[in-house]
Amino acid sequence: ILNVEQSPQSLHVQEGDSTNFTCSFPSSNFYALHWYRWETAKSPEALFVMTLNGDEKKKGRISATLNTKEGYSYLYIKGSQPEDSATYLCAFTTGNQFYFGTGTSLTVIP
Amino acid sequence: DTEVTQTPKHLVMGMTNKKSLKCEQHMGHRAMYWYKQKAKKPPELMFVYSYEKLSINESVPSRFSPECPNSSLLNLHLHALQPEDSALYLCASSQGAALPTNEKLFFGSGTQLSVL
Repeated sequence: ILNVEQSPQSLHVQEGDSTNFTCSFPSSNFYALHWYRWETAKSPEALFVMTLNGDEKKKGRISATLNTKEGYSYLYIKGSQPEDSATYLCAFTTGNQFYFGTGTSLTVIP
Repeated sequence: DTEVTQTPKHLVMGMTNKKSLKCEQHMGHRAMYWYKQKAKKPPELMFVYSYEKLSINESVPSRFSPECPNSSLLNLHLHALQPEDSALYLCASSQGAALPTNEKLFFGSGTQLSVL
C-alpha cells in the first residue's frame, strides 16, 4: 500500500480568503493524480485529473498544479465561499492501483 | 443522466444475515468500482469490474461477493459479516476500461452499513 498524504487535515478560513492545500504521493510509477470534492451527505465529485508534470487545471475559482518529479500537487481556492466547505480528496493512480489520501476538510466561515 | 445511484442509503444487519448493496449507472460507463471507507480513513478499493468482468479483487474476504449482471448494474452481496465491516460502501464508475485511469470517477452517495 502506497501513502498518499494530504495536508492540512482540516482548515478553517474566512469567507473571501484564498487558501491552498497539498497532496503528496510517491513519484515513481505515476499514472494520474485526481482531485475530488466531497460535501457532507453527497457523492464525491471529480474536480480534476492530471497526468503530465507541470499540468495546471482550473475550474472557476479552483485550480490545481502537479509536480510528478517531486511527488506533489497543490489545490488552490481563490476567494473562498461558504459553499466551498467540503472535504477535498486527492487520489494517485499507478498501474492497477488507485490510492486516496485522507482528505483536507475545509470550512469557510461566513 | 450523470448519476450513480446506490441503494439502500443505510443498512443495519446482523452477523448471520445475507443482504445486498446495489449500484446503478446509465452513463454507458464500462468500469465500475466498489470502495469501502471507515471513519477518518481514505476510501479503500475493494473490487473493479471492467466490461462486466472482475478485473481487480483487492484481497477482499469472501464474505463480500461482487456481481455485475450487466454494464449498468453492480451488486455487492454480503454474508456473515463482522462488526468491523461496518463502514460506508461507495460505488463509482468511469467511462473506459478500468485501472489505470486518467478518467474521472463518478461516485454514488454510498451505503452506510452497520453490522451488529
